Amino acid sequence: DAKTTQPPSMDCAEGRAANLPCNHSTISGNEYVYWYRQIHSQGPQYIIHGLKNNETNEMASLIITEDRKSSTLILPHATLRDTAVYYCIVRVQNTGNQFYFGTGTSLTVIP
Amino acid sequence: DGGITQSPKYLFRKEGQNVTLSCEQNLNHDAMYWYRQDPGQGLRLIYYSQIVNDFQKGDIAEGYSVSREKKESFPLTVTSAQKNPTAFYLCASNGQNSGNTIYFGEGSWLTVV
Repeated sequence: DAKTTQPPSMDCAEGRAANLPCNHSTISGNEYVYWYRQIHSQGPQYIIHGLKNNETNEMASLIITEDRKSSTLILPHATLRDTAVYYCIVRVQNTGNQFYFGTGTSLTVIP
Repeated sequence: DGGITQSPKYLFRKEGQNVTLSCEQNLNHDAMYWYRQDPGQGLRLIYYSQIVNDFQKGDIAEGYSVSREKKESFPLTVTSAQKNPTAFYLCASNGQNSGNTIYFGEGSWLTVV
């Protein structure tokens, strides 16, 4: 599975959009981009995933560049409860394949 | 409710003792995983199982053992051979019925005293 690079930390004002970048320059054509977040002392929570097209759900939007070498997770209106560590993962969508988690981005939403 | 249940949430162990962490899922997932997380660090894979009665070592399997006798259960034993067992342990699972997205339990804190 390809490696990802994320900034170690970011701040965002409450109510503003939080844009979390992820670089995955060695991504393969059959690898999906997944985003998870982890609030302290809890299990990671699935947010969203995509292959080529941009995706949106009730939690966030995922923007994947045309060359697929980077992506951005967007939390449209950040709240204090969005303060967490956000992980970007790329992997082949296949049961049993490992998920490799890096150190992620620690997002702090500021009142 | 469907999900992944880990127990206990907090566990203390004396040095030299083995301890078993429980992980049960009722999601009908084929694959199950155990990760370890140290403070301020990412998740590291200990063991994973793609199907009943089969499992593979992850990146940090030394000092740990697992079994997969039932589809819904994947217990992890932390043996006395694990030199630094104090950590946060996370169990996860995925399957075709979840679009192969991996889902996690709430974790277990193990402290060696």
